[in-house]
Amino acid sequence: GAVVSQHPSRVICKSGTSVKIECRSLDFQATTMFWYRQFPKQSLMLMATSNEGSKATYEQGVEKDKFLINHASLTLSTLTVTSAHPEDSSFYICSARAPSGGGEQYFGPGTRLTVT
Amino acid sequence: QKEVEQDPGPLSVPEGAIVSLNCTYSNSAFQYFMWYRQYSRKGPELLMYTYSSGNKEDGRFTAQVDKSSKYISLFIRDSQPSDSATYLCAMSANGNQFYFGTGTSLTVIP
Repeated sequence: GAVVSQHPSRVICKSGTSVKIECRSLDFQATTMFWYRQFPKQSLMLMATSNEGSKATYEQGVEKDKFLINHASLTLSTLTVTSAHPEDSSFYICSARAPSGGGEQYFGPGTRLTVT
Repeated sequence: QKEVEQDPGPLSVPEGAIVSLNCTYSNSAFQYFMWYRQYSRKGPELLMYTYSSGNKEDGRFTAQVDKSSKYISLFIRDSQPSDSATYLCAMSANGNQFYFGTGTSLTVIP
């Protein structure tokens, strides 16, 4: 099956610093990757859609200057949380869309970000 | 009205029971339907993928899609404690934009 990895699995950073999260599709090429945020006991909240070689499309209310997304290759997308604040603490999950016709998404294991 | 509605539960069943999880939706253009299982503090895992209407079976799991009623279901037979997780439905009209349910929390009691 399709495997998506995320790194790091958890990170603790100080307020004001930046954190980069990597999302990789390990056994398939993904022209489209998605970044989600999930609060405890809540569903996934789509932050942005990342297309290889072009600018990401952000959902309404998501600050593009704060959450920088780069999709430089068909297997790697990165999310950088800039000038992190405690309210950015959350579970961030990426997914990669399968190259098959249905385009089902395969999710990474998630990254737990804690900003102190 | 939300695009996708899913009862959050929690749902608690004894081991061996048949579990029925459901989602309703409002957009008749949806044709791709997925069920994901998410364990606590983990990413969602794709369980079932169905295109258009009909049933799909995989081991103890059966996914049903009723487009006329805008209703999808996931059945789990012979439920096990390891099935305890949150189950998310997801759907899409074009494979580009996906809509997720809020998830149903399931606990299978040994």
